[in-house]
Amino acid sequence: NAGVTQTPKFRVLKTGQSMTLLCAQDMNHEYMYWYRQDPGMGLRLIHYSVGEGTTAKGEVPDGYNVSRLKKQNFLLGLESAAPSQTSVYFCASSYRDRGAQHFGDGTRLSIL
Amino acid sequence: EDQVTQSPEALRLQEGESSSLNCSYTVSGLRGLFWYRQDPGKGPEFLFTLYSAGEEKEKERLKATLTKKESFLHITAPKPEDSATYLCAVPFPNDYKLSFGAGTTVTVRA
Repeated sequence: NAGVTQTPKFRVLKTGQSMTLLCAQDMNHEYMYWYRQDPGMGLRLIHYSVGEGTTAKGEVPDGYNVSRLKKQNFLLGLESAAPSQTSVYFCASSYRDRGAQHFGDGTRLSIL
Repeated sequence: EDQVTQSPEALRLQEGESSSLNCSYTVSGLRGLFWYRQDPGKGPEFLFTLYSAGEEKEKERLKATLTKKESFLHITAPKPEDSATYLCAVPFPNDYKLSFGAGTTVTVRA
């Protein structure tokens, strides 16, 4: 019962470095999402995908890119990390449009 | 502007002391309201979906209800293991995103 798995769980980067966060789901869900969670801000959608090969912007997409080459995987990239991107990143997936989303346990990212 | 607002921000309860959390929303044409539980260091865990006014869902000591403008999460005779942050979320009509409230952090003391 893996559900949604995120790697890595923790990471510290220096300003300007790049990295990729990986999300994998084993529920055969079409829809996948990347959120960030910050104190006092709640969960905010970065990017999402409605199926393999598709991606779209959420409400805070700047500084991030995504790819969905395989249905089960959704990658979030930071091209040039900035301290403002220090956050906890959550991946989620859902079976249908606007259906219940199932979350991974997050990646805690600190950018110095 | 479409909004989801949760109250109170924090709730401290004694074990066995029942209480309710509120989630109010302004979106028209509601297409579901979701409740989640989030433990420290974990992702949100799905609890319930409610679709229409008058609907109720129960799970152990939790019961969620829905009206046309708000939802309540009732915690009956809570135990310390019910301590968590409870989030509600609503899908907005012209968007794929779920809009989340800021959450209510519940602490239950033994």
